[in-house]
Amino acid sequence: AQSVTQLGSHVSVSEGALVLLRCNYSSSVPPYLFWYVQYPNQGLQLLLKYTSAATLVKGINGFEAEFKKSETSFHLTKPSAHMSDAAEYFCAVSDPSGTYKYIFGTGTRLKVLA
Amino acid sequence: DTGVSQDPRHKITKRGQNVTFRCDPISEHNRLYWYRQTLGQGPEFLTYFQNEAQLEKSRLLSDRFSAERPKGSFSTLEIQRTEQGDSAMYLCASSAQGEDGYTFGSGTRLTVV
Repeated sequence: AQSVTQLGSHVSVSEGALVLLRCNYSSSVPPYLFWYVQYPNQGLQLLLKYTSAATLVKGINGFEAEFKKSETSFHLTKPSAHMSDAAEYFCAVSDPSGTYKYIFGTGTRLKVLA
Repeated sequence: DTGVSQDPRHKITKRGQNVTFRCDPISEHNRLYWYRQTLGQGPEFLTYFQNEAQLEKSRLLSDRFSAERPKGSFSTLEIQRTEQGDSAMYLCASSAQGEDGYTFGSGTRLTVV
């Protein structure tokens, strides 16, 4: 069975500071991993994905994530937070065979302080 | 590419009524998914279509829920005899290849009163 754990339901950072959102996964097969961002009353937008190629993945809006198999982690980072980054972030794991349905984490709400 | 469209955006219904939601995926996407998201939670998988075939249904999808995707184009999700516990955001997503990730619609927020 697959699962995703996002540590910290709320994270606050100052504008210009490093953003680090944590995601750990459990999967019995090599996973596909994704980060999505959700703004209020909106659907989810894909930030980046890991699908067994390069372990350091770059996404949109300056975000990146590193797949670490030994730590079963896929943490999301951004060197310098911007006010527009305030949103909810979801990590998801997908079984790479069959339906590609996702198991999502419970989300981390990022607050950016001026 | 106009993205994934969902209609309506908001629906308020009385308990016991039936509701139907529509999803129009990106036209070249053959995979279509429905998810449900409650407040403070991540989305939960409900069902998956490949073209017109419904290939997987979650145990969350009770017999009051039914989904269709006639001709492999748009999809509908119907909830019969709505209950207050059905109040949630219903999200539709589509993809061409599973490893590409999904494109999500903006969702339909259902409130059962």
